[in-house]
Amino acid sequence: QVQLVQSGAEVKKPGASVKVSCKASGYSFNDYYMHWVRQAPGQRLQWMGWINAGNGNTKYSQKFQDRITIIRDTSASTAYMELSSLRSEDTAVYYCAREEPLVSLFGSGRGMDVWGQGTTVAVSS
Amino acid sequence: SYELTQPPSVSVSPGQTARITCSGDALPKKYAYWYQQKSGQAPVLVIHEDSKRPSGIPERFSGFSSRTMATLIISGAQVEDEADYYCFSTDISGNHRVFGGGTKLTVL
Repeated sequence: QVQLVQSGAEVKKPGASVKVSCKASGYSFNDYYMHWVRQAPGQRLQWMGWINAGNGNTKYSQKFQDRITIIRDTSASTAYMELSSLRSEDTAVYYCAREEPLVSLFGSGRGMDVWGQGTTVAVSS
Repeated sequence: SYELTQPPSVSVSPGQTARITCSGDALPKKYAYWYQQKSGQAPVLVIHEDSKRPSGIPERFSGFSSRTMATLIISGAQVEDEADYYCFSTDISGNHRVFGGGTKLTVL
């Protein structure tokens, strides 16, 4: 079945970096976008960025533009999100989610229909 | 930066119709998507491209968009529909995606 399996929980010190992986199975990895979304405790969902798994093109939220890198390894059907210069406010659950591309002036995808289980990242000194 | 505005909470009795709104300046030209998130779980897509329902989502979930407001409708809300609901869309350039602030739906 279609699934996204993320790497395990991380504990990091302020200033460090974290890299979260998201392994896809059950579908053609190259044919979809992969988004990264996070949720701090008790807070709203926050879109971080996405990658076109087919060509590797990325788009990042302005909020994370200077600190985030999203890449993919097509041979391993895996996407990665790295966030640098961590601070306590980055403590959150991080999700990956796939989206089927859509050719339309009104939007570029058909919605994030499969999500990973989430990876908890705690930033503490 | 672009923002989508949702009411913080909506409350209905079981069997009533729940309406959750999402306002944004680019919605006349950009699709809205709706996600349901139950406590401790990953979000679930319930409506895409304003009004399309993914397979497996109950028919009581519907959506529409008019001018600068998108609306999620749950006809005959059930207790199991209690969750946070988030709209999602993009600014007019198509480059900046954003979630709304979320709406807590209470069914009791």
